[in-house]
Amino acid sequence: AQSVTQPDIHITVSEGASLELRCNYSYGATPYLFWYVQSPGQGLQLLLKYFSGDTLVQGIKGFEAEFKRSQSSFNLRKPSVHWSDAAEYFCAVTRSGGYQKVTFGTGTKLQVIP
Amino acid sequence: DTAVSQTPKYLVTQMGNDKSIKCEQNLGHDTMYWYKQDSKKFLKIMFSYNNKELIINETVPNRFSPKSPDKAHLNLHINSLELGDSAVYFCASSQSDRGTSGANVLTFGAGSRLTVL
Repeated sequence: AQSVTQPDIHITVSEGASLELRCNYSYGATPYLFWYVQSPGQGLQLLLKYFSGDTLVQGIKGFEAEFKRSQSSFNLRKPSVHWSDAAEYFCAVTRSGGYQKVTFGTGTKLQVIP
Repeated sequence: DTAVSQTPKYLVTQMGNDKSIKCEQNLGHDTMYWYKQDSKKFLKIMFSYNNKELIINETVPNRFSPKSPDKAHLNLHINSLELGDSAVYFCASSQSDRGTSGANVLTFGAGSRLTVL
């Protein structure tokens, strides 16, 4: 069964600093990978996705993520964090074909300090 | 606006009551979902419908009964509510995978926060 691990429950960074959120997945074949962001009281919004091709994918709000098959990872990065980036971030995995279940990690809460 | 909309946004009720949450999407998607997010923010899929047909039914108590009258609507009815049902319930939709790059990308509603007293 597919699974996602986000090892960091809570991360605090200073505004303007760089950010990396970790995500490791478990899946036997080529996964489809996603990062979603959830602001307080809101639903989840897609930041970026990886299906195939270039392993470095660009998303909205200046985020990017890199798929590393050898490490089963899909870490999210941003070079300079803004206060408005404070939110909960979820990594998710699914697979191709038919009607596939999307499995989410437990989330990483990002706090941004001035 | 094109979106996934859920009603009600907040629901407070007593144990033992029956309640419903409604969801509608106008994105033209053919697949809809219910997810439950607990107090620790863990998201777990409950049900999924594709063109009104139930395709995913996770281990959920049979007090929970989804219903999809058409592919744009998915409702969730909960009987005999228990304290443990308190959570945020998210509706989502997607277009099923037909080998396109849009496959399996979920669009979420804003959530319905259910509090059982």
